[in-house]
Amino acid sequence: DQQVKQNSPSLSVQEGRISILNCDYTNSMFDYFLWYKKYPAEGPTFLISISSIKDKNEDGRFTVFLNKSAKHLSLHIVPSQPGDSAVYFCAASTGGSQGNLIFGKGTKLSVKP
Amino acid sequence: NAGVTQTPKFRILKIGQSMTLQCTQDMNHNYMYWYRQDPGMGLKLIYYSVGAGITDKGEVPNGYNVSRSTTEDFPLRLELAAPSQTSVYFCASSPPLYSGRVNEQFFGPGTRLTVL
Repeated sequence: DQQVKQNSPSLSVQEGRISILNCDYTNSMFDYFLWYKKYPAEGPTFLISISSIKDKNEDGRFTVFLNKSAKHLSLHIVPSQPGDSAVYFCAASTGGSQGNLIFGKGTKLSVKP
Repeated sequence: NAGVTQTPKFRILKIGQSMTLQCTQDMNHNYMYWYRQDPGMGLKLIYYSVGAGITDKGEVPNGYNVSRSTTEDFPLRLELAAPSQTSVYFCASSPPLYSGRVNEQFFGPGTRLTVL
């Protein structure tokens, strides 16, 4: 049973527009959520995170929104750039889990010039 | 800083063979992890370690062993390789729990393993 779900395997967006990547979770004990970005033949890199005590966290062009009642989070990229083309993984953890992350399957974002 | 390095990058094994995947980090991180990623899937935790001499099982530990004799190194051992272990293996490290950044893991480039 998947605890972290990314239901869109792929997303295509025009350069300059907004990219919205979605993630749903089932475990109400999750209290920390992260987005990782992965280019082909490389390891994932940490992008942005949010604690369950917040509903929004912003870092430059990247904003993560958390809706705890809906068990849903989203990553907004504005404006999207061709270099943002990658696979984006949503991940979640519980307090004191010593960094044990549960990952979604990922969404492949393609930003077209 | 090289970050997290993994060797080898690629390996083909025959069924029943054994091998060790090497992982080294130079960030003095206490926490280290091994994940596997199957095609079209997310990363699944195999084993993790919170410091030298301490290891624990993750979600999918069967068929693997680990050791942690130093802060820097966290090798993953495959005994009796099986086709189901064909995957990409990622090693990661992170600052300790008290840093508040334990979830911000730094990943190596991965080892692509095929078992035939």
